[in-house]
Order: sequence, then structure tokens, then C-alpha cells
Amino acid sequence: KAGVTQTPRYLIKTRGQQVTLSCSPISGHRSVSWYQQTPGQGLQFLFEYFSETQRNKGNFPGRFSGRQFSNSRSEMNVSTLELGDSALYLCASSTGFDGELFFGEGSRLTVL
Amino acid sequence: AQSVAQPEDQVNVAEGNPLTVKCTYSVSGNPYLFWYVQYPNRGLQFLLKYITGDNLVKGSYGFEAEFNKSQTSFHLKKPSALVSDSALYFCAVRPTYKYIFGTGTRLKVLA
Repeated sequence: KAGVTQTPRYLIKTRGQQVTLSCSPISGHRSVSWYQQTPGQGLQFLFEYFSETQRNKGNFPGRFSGRQFSNSRSEMNVSTLELGDSALYLCASSTGFDGELFFGEGSRLTVL
Repeated sequence: AQSVAQPEDQVNVAEGNPLTVKCTYSVSGNPYLFWYVQYPNRGLQFLLKYITGDNLVKGSYGFEAEFNKSQTSFHLKKPSALVSDSALYFCAVRPTYKYIFGTGTRLKVLA
């Protein structure tokens, strides 16, 4: 069974640009959630989608957005990038109920 | 506010010795509790979870965790540490659909 796939793995952007990150969940998983990981803040929850609906949202500004498609694949977008957005962005999928999260290897974003 | 605390940023233990990584939580109700491990430049991997039942939960790679409701703790343990256990460990709680992660504890097992 293929794991969670995130693309791209690494990317470099400049301030003011926007970025789109992609996540393909494990087949059959209907829930996809996104996390931002930084050395100082640890893992911060961004949002969770379940069957194309945003079910929960963390405390991030509106520059951070996401969506989920009918095949459960998900994208997150960050507009008007700031230096502080440099982080490892992790996607996780699950059945959406009491199951554990399965994480991808992450997309490492560097903002210059 | 709901929170998870991992009071130790780093834990050092000699190979072959028992290890404990601490986690306490503050959430209402009866949350699900999890431990995850992260190796360098990788995503997190699931180790074990507690939903209900026996307070001692066994997981992957010989790890286990003890749930203590009165102390709201969920400490991760292993009887005999391996150098390959060196990694970053995260405790997480799930009161509803949202996971809350601790800040992580770096475990260093010394040969």
C-alpha cells in the first residue's frame, strides 16, 4: 500500500510569492490534515479536510488556505509569503475517525 | 485551554538502559492519546495509541506507554534502549477531530 506522498519535497521562494503544496493520501483515507513544523514552535495544526469539507482549522492567518478534491488529494496554498513561513509542512492522512495519522515526508519551504 | 506538555526537551540514556519520555495533557473528557516518532528529514511515524481499556499500551519497536488518568499522563517507555531509538518523539492528544501535539522530546541513546 503506497504511503502519503507530498510534492514538492523542497522549494525555495522569495517574500511576496505564493506557493502550492500537494498531498496524496493513502488509498481509502478520507481525512487529510496539514501541519507546520518549525524548530521553535513544534507542530502547529493548520487544517483538516474530510470528504472535501474543512472540518477543523488552526490559528493561522487567511494567507494559508487549503482544499480537498473528490479523490481525497489535498492542496494547501500560502500567499504573500513571509520569512516566518519557512518551515517543514507535513501532510497526514487517516480514516478520519479514531485512527492514527499517517504522515508524508513533508515539503520543506524556504522563504528568502 | 487544551494542551500537551513534554517537559523535557532532551533525554539522554545509555544503550541497554530503560528509557522514559514524559507527557502530560490538559484536555476535557476522555481523549485519545498517541505517540509518534520522527527521524531526521522524515515525517512522523505512529508508535502507539490509547483509546480505552488496559492502562499499559504496547506499540511498535518494543515501546509501550502507561496511561494514568489521575495524573493525566501518558509516558512512553522502553525496557532496553537502542542507539537506533535516537529520534524526536511527539506525544499527541485528540479530544475531538483536532490533534494537539506536544513540542517534542529529543531522545539520545549513547553507545
